Amino acid sequence: GAVVSQHPSRVICKSGTSVKIECRSLDFQATTMFWYRQFPKKSLMLMATSNEGSKATYEQGVEKDKFLINHASLTLSTLTVTSAHPEDSSFYICSARDLQIGDTQYFGPGTRLTVL
Amino acid sequence: LAKTTQPISMDSYEGQEVNITCSHNNIATNDYITWYQQFPSQGPRFIIQGYKTKVTNEVASLFIPADRKSSTLSLPRVSLSDTAVYYCLVVVSSNTGKLIFGQGTTLQVKP
Repeated sequence: GAVVSQHPSRVICKSGTSVKIECRSLDFQATTMFWYRQFPKKSLMLMATSNEGSKATYEQGVEKDKFLINHASLTLSTLTVTSAHPEDSSFYICSARDLQIGDTQYFGPGTRLTVL
Repeated sequence: LAKTTQPISMDSYEGQEVNITCSHNNIATNDYITWYQQFPSQGPRFIIQGYKTKVTNEVASLFIPADRKSSTLSLPRVSLSDTAVYYCLVVVSSNTGKLIFGQGTTLQVKP
């Protein structure tokens, strides 16, 4: 099946620093990728839609200057959490849309961000 | 986007068949249904998707009645490792494909 990877799997950083998370579709090309965040015992919340070669589309309430998304190639999207604060600590998950196999989304393993 | 409603939690025992029903009363003509499984601290794993009638793969079956206002995920002979959260989602194929997750169903399989 289609595989999506994320790097790093976990990161701990100090407040005020920026953190970049990579999402890669390993065996298919994805013109569209998505970024979610998930708090403990809660459901996934869609943050933004990442489109290859164009600007990301952010969901209501998500600060685009805080969460920078870049989708430079058909297999890579990055999420940068700028000037991270403790309230940004969360589980960040990406997904990639595979249009070749029934328009199915495949998810990465997630990245645990802890901001001290 | 069509809203889905599913039970918050379910309990089962090893070896039993588990059926999780999801309602999506305002599903549109071109929408389809997809199910994911999620373990703690992992990304969701695709289980199955379908448009109508019955779909079966090596993991589960998906039953969708003619009116498509509900769907049932069937897990045969569950084991302890099937303890997870199961999400039912309706996908609008004509748009960006974004998925809006509901609360999901927490399935607890007991020995």
